[in-house]
Amino acid sequence: QVHLVQSGAEVKKPGASVKVSCKASEYTFNDYYMHWVRQAPGQGLEWMGWINPDSGGTKTAQKFRGRVTMTRDTSTNTAYMDLTSLRSDDTAVYYCARGRDSSSLYSAFDYWGQGTLVTVSS
Amino acid sequence: DIQMTQSPATLSASVGDRVSITCRASQSVSNWLAWYQQKPGKAPKVLIYDASTLQSGVPSRFSGSGSGTEFTLAINSLQPDDFATYYCQQYQGFPQTFGQGTKVDIK
Repeated sequence: QVHLVQSGAEVKKPGASVKVSCKASEYTFNDYYMHWVRQAPGQGLEWMGWINPDSGGTKTAQKFRGRVTMTRDTSTNTAYMDLTSLRSDDTAVYYCARGRDSSSLYSAFDYWGQGTLVTVSS
Repeated sequence: DIQMTQSPATLSASVGDRVSITCRASQSVSNWLAWYQQKPGKAPKVLIYDASTLQSGVPSRFSGSGSGTEFTLAINSLQPDDFATYYCQQYQGFPQTFGQGTKVDIK
C-alpha cells in the first residue's frame, strides 16, 4: 500500500522559512510526479507546484515563484517543499500528493500525505 | 488561470437521497477533471478522475460526467459516510486549480 508520510507541525515567525518533507514508500518513487497543495484554515485547496522525482525538474505556480523550492532525495524517497519569507497568510495545512498516472503529467492525485500544519505567527 | 466554479456551495440532504454537484470551468479542460471528497482534519480522497472514471475502491454510487466546461458529480443513495466536502480539480491547465468546494450536510 502506497504511503506518503509528512513531517510534523511547525510554528514559524513572519519572515522565516519552513521545509516540509514527504517520505514515500511502497512504490517506485522516481516514476510518479509529486505535487504540493495547501489549505488555509476553513478554506479550499490550492495547488502549489510539482516535482519530477526522476529528473528533479519542477514547476511552481506563479503565485509562489521565488518563495517555493521543491527538491527530492531519491536515496530516501523523500520530497521536500521549502517556503521562504513566511507571512501570516501562509498559515495552512500543506499536503504532498502523488500524480496517479506515471506516464503523464496530467493526472489526478491518488495518494496524499497526512498534511503538515504550518502556523505563521509573531 | 482556469477558474473552477462549483454549485451549490452547501447541499443539505438525507440518507438515501440522490445528489448532484456541478463544476464549471472558465475554459475547456477537455476531460482532465477530478473529484475529491474531504472530511474534517483529513486529506482529500480522489473519487473520480478523467471526468468519469471511478477510482479503484470507490463505491459505485459515485459517478462523474461531463466534458469541456461543465461537469457533474452524482451520488446515488447518499450514505452516512458521504457527508463531507467535495472539490473538483482541473489538471489540464497551468496552474492546476480547484473549485471552492461543496459541503454536503445532513438535512
